[in-house]
Amino acid sequence: AQKVTQAQTEISVVEKEDVTLDCVYETRDTTYYLFWYKQPPSGELVFLIRRNSFDEQNEISGRYSWNFQKSTSSFNFTITASQVVDSAVYFCALNGGATNKLIFGTGTLLAVQP
Amino acid sequence: KAGVTQTPRYLIKTRGQQVTLSCSPISGHRSVSWYQQTPGQGLQFLFEYFSETQRNKGNFPGRFSGRQFSNSRSEMNVSTLELGDSALYLCASSDKGIVGETQYFGPGTRLLVL
Repeated sequence: AQKVTQAQTEISVVEKEDVTLDCVYETRDTTYYLFWYKQPPSGELVFLIRRNSFDEQNEISGRYSWNFQKSTSSFNFTITASQVVDSAVYFCALNGGATNKLIFGTGTLLAVQP
Repeated sequence: KAGVTQTPRYLIKTRGQQVTLSCSPISGHRSVSWYQQTPGQGLQFLFEYFSETQRNKGNFPGRFSGRQFSNSRSEMNVSTLELGDSALYLCASSDKGIVGETQYFGPGTRLLVL
């Protein structure tokens, strides 16, 4: 069975702090894909990153970075120098097997205080 | 390209009624997936359509159905509404709907069942 765990329900930080959102996944597939989405209060899920199971290189995009470690089945997301606009719910998702169905974690609510 | 659009954005219905939600995918995308988001169950996959055919279905009762038209637009229908059907319904589109392909989400339809 596939499963995604986001143990942090809510995180509150002050602007300019760095924050890491944790994501742990379970799958028996050898080929799989991991995603992060951002959901602002408006409700739309905004795609942030896609990573396949064969590419463990960390990725950086501006203030965002992702750390993928197959050894610990984790795909963590770090925001450097957080800003109020980063406040949202962040979802980690897994896709593997024979369909494109996304398995989502329960999400982490990030509140960035000014 | 325009993003995924969903109509209506908000809907209030009463128990026992039925409802139809609409989704227009990104131009050129042929796969449309539907997800239900509730506070209790999180984000759950409903079904996926490709070339007017339902390819995959989640674990939802038969009251939930959908279809896709030749222009890839999709509708989902919920009959005999129950209070528990109150949720944010999100539509996502991707090019071919293959494993690992990024899905782009619409703003969602918020359904309230009274």
